[in-house]
Amino acid sequence: EAGVVQSPRYKIIEKKQPVAFWCNPISGHNTLYWYRQNLGQGPELLIRYENEEAVDDSQLPKDRFSAERLKGVDSTLKIQPAELGDSAVYLCASSGETQYFGPGTRLLVL
Amino acid sequence: QKEVEQNSGPLSVPEGAIASLNCTYSDRGSQSFFWYRQYSGKSPELIMFIYSNGDKEDGRFTAQLNKASQYVSLLIRDSQPSDSATYLCAVSYTGRRALTFGSGTRLQVQP
Repeated sequence: EAGVVQSPRYKIIEKKQPVAFWCNPISGHNTLYWYRQNLGQGPELLIRYENEEAVDDSQLPKDRFSAERLKGVDSTLKIQPAELGDSAVYLCASSGETQYFGPGTRLLVL
Repeated sequence: QKEVEQNSGPLSVPEGAIASLNCTYSDRGSQSFFWYRQYSGKSPELIMFIYSNGDKEDGRFTAQLNKASQYVSLLIRDSQPSDSATYLCAVSYTGRRALTFGSGTRLQVQP
C-alpha cells in the first residue's frame, strides 16, 4: 500500500514569495491533516479535512496561509507571502484509525 | 501552556538495556495516546497506540498508560543502536482527531 505522498521534498524561496505544497493521502483515508514542525519541536496542526471540508483550521494563519482539498483527495497548502519564520517542515498526514505521515516538505525562506 | 510534556533528553542507554521514555499530559479529556519515532531528517513513524489503562506490548516495545496520573510511557527492551531517534508522544481528545504532540525525547543507544 502506498503511503502519503508529498511534493516537493525541499523548497528554498526568498521572503515575500509564494510557495505551495501538495499532498496525496493514503487511498481510502477521508481525513487529511497539515502539520508544521519547527526544529526541535513536535508537529503542530495547521488544518484538518474531513473529505473536502475543513473542520479544524483554528491554528492556520489565515492572513497568509490557505489550503484546499478539491474532490476530497489531494490537498494543497499555500503560503503567500512567505516570511522568514515560515521556515519549517510541512507534514501532511492522513488517517483511518491512526495517522500516517508523509515525508514532509522542508521549506527554507531566505 | 504546553499540553503534552516530554523531557527533551538526550536519554543515553547502553545497547541491550531498557530505555524508558515518559510523557505527561494536562487535559483529562485525552482519549488516545500514541508514540511516534522520528529519525533525523525523516517524518514521524507510528510505533504504538494505547487507549486503556495498563500495558500494551508489541515486540520489544511496551506502552504504559495511567489516566489517573495523566502519564504515558514507552519502554524499549533490548535497545539497539538503530533505536536511536527522537520519540514523540501524542494525544488526541474526544471530538478532535488531530494529535497534540510533545516536543520529543532524543534517545541515544550506545554500542
